[in-house]
Amino acid sequence: QVQLQESGPGLVKPSETLSLTCTVSGASISGTTFYWGWIRQPPGKGLEWLGSVYSSGNPFYNPSLNSRVTISVDTSKNHFSLRLRSVTAADTAVYFCVRHASWFDPWGQGTLVTVSS
Amino acid sequence: EIVLTQSPGTLSLSPGERATLSCRASQSVSNNYLAWYKQKPGQTPQLLVYGASNRAAGIPDRFSGSGSGTDFTLTINRLEPEDFAVYYCQQFGSSWTFGQGTKVEMK
Repeated sequence: QVQLQESGPGLVKPSETLSLTCTVSGASISGTTFYWGWIRQPPGKGLEWLGSVYSSGNPFYNPSLNSRVTISVDTSKNHFSLRLRSVTAADTAVYFCVRHASWFDPWGQGTLVTVSS
Repeated sequence: EIVLTQSPGTLSLSPGERATLSCRASQSVSNNYLAWYKQKPGQTPQLLVYGASNRAAGIPDRFSGSGSGTDFTLTINRLEPEDFAVYYCQQFGSSWTFGQGTKVEMK
């Protein structure tokens, strides 16, 4: 059974870079036909796809965040990472990592990241 | 980017009733790449339906998805107490986008 687990700081200062890692267990990132991505959900709001990376490392980003987001994969550690630069309070959200094709499944449990000084 | 609009925003129903949720796309969703998710407060979204009409593993048959092109529907027959939640539709075209959600609340 594939499981994903997010890790990283729960508090980030404004203008700094948010960095999260998703560790995958029960499957190998490499050699699959799936994407590995990030989705976020601000408190009380809906879901927003941020970006994804294919096992080969080719990334795809939400155009609304394209200039601030980087997603990378480390197949040797079987994990992938999110970096979001120049954060503001509007980036406060629960961040989920996901495995996906055209649909998202499974999801990590999510991690709350608060942007505050 | 394809914009998904869900209606209604909130649906107030009683257990045992049928819920009909709508998801309309701003342009045709290719290959019916349309999925539905259920999310309860404090929980991770759960995949219900993919490919517009295929139930995910372990999802009860009271959940059914239908539609094509720009108009899609999630029907929940005989609402159970655990079905009261927020439901999101999601599409894949050139990128992935979600609708804003429909809350199914207990009347």
